[in-house]
Amino acid sequence: EADIYQTPRYLVIGTGKKITLECSQTMGHDKMYWYQQDPGMELHLIHYSYGVNSTEKGDLSSESTVSRIRTEHFPLTLESARPSHTSQYLCASSPLRGGETQYFGPGTRLLVL
Amino acid sequence: KQEVTQIPAALSVPEGENLVLNCSFTDSAIYNLQWFRQDPGKGLTSLLLIQSSQREQTSGRLNASLDKSSGRSTLYIAASQPGDSATYLCAVRVDSNYQLIWGAGTKLIIKP
Repeated sequence: EADIYQTPRYLVIGTGKKITLECSQTMGHDKMYWYQQDPGMELHLIHYSYGVNSTEKGDLSSESTVSRIRTEHFPLTLESARPSHTSQYLCASSPLRGGETQYFGPGTRLLVL
Repeated sequence: KQEVTQIPAALSVPEGENLVLNCSFTDSAIYNLQWFRQDPGKGLTSLLLIQSSQREQTSGRLNASLDKSSGRSTLYIAASQPGDSATYLCAVRVDSNYQLIWGAGTKLIIKP
């Protein structure tokens, strides 16, 4: 069973607030990812990391930032939330070598009013 | 630019039927294709991964096929059960950075 956790699971917040979505995994995976998914739509990669101190932007333009100070932790920060940020955010991880399967967390549903 | 399409967007069938979900992609230059399952309130779970050199993969009642030249994959579910109800997504890996391009999914409902 994959051990990847996301908090909070649900968040309702006002416009202009700073928020951080947490993602942690206990599998020792080097690679981690953040996806954004609107209802009934495909996932879009917004950030990924190959390991500590590595962060890259994905194919979806995003106003969020990420950091990777520890292997197990990959938080996503929105400095100033807007209604257009309302979506589901999914975190995933995979080993750098020996496997391509990505293991997903349960997601965070964000509503910005 | 690679695009992944899944048709139908939703499917409802009686329990016990065999069914096929479809996934098509526009660029045949892929490394592999994966099928995932997404349950409400939960994350995605990988079901099957087919490398570009393979034609099919099987796991229990699931069988996935890949026809890279025509840009198509199918997920066959045998003897469907209510517990199979979920959204099924396919994704293709298109580069050496392991990035995936995703379809929007097929929402499957199995009626008891």
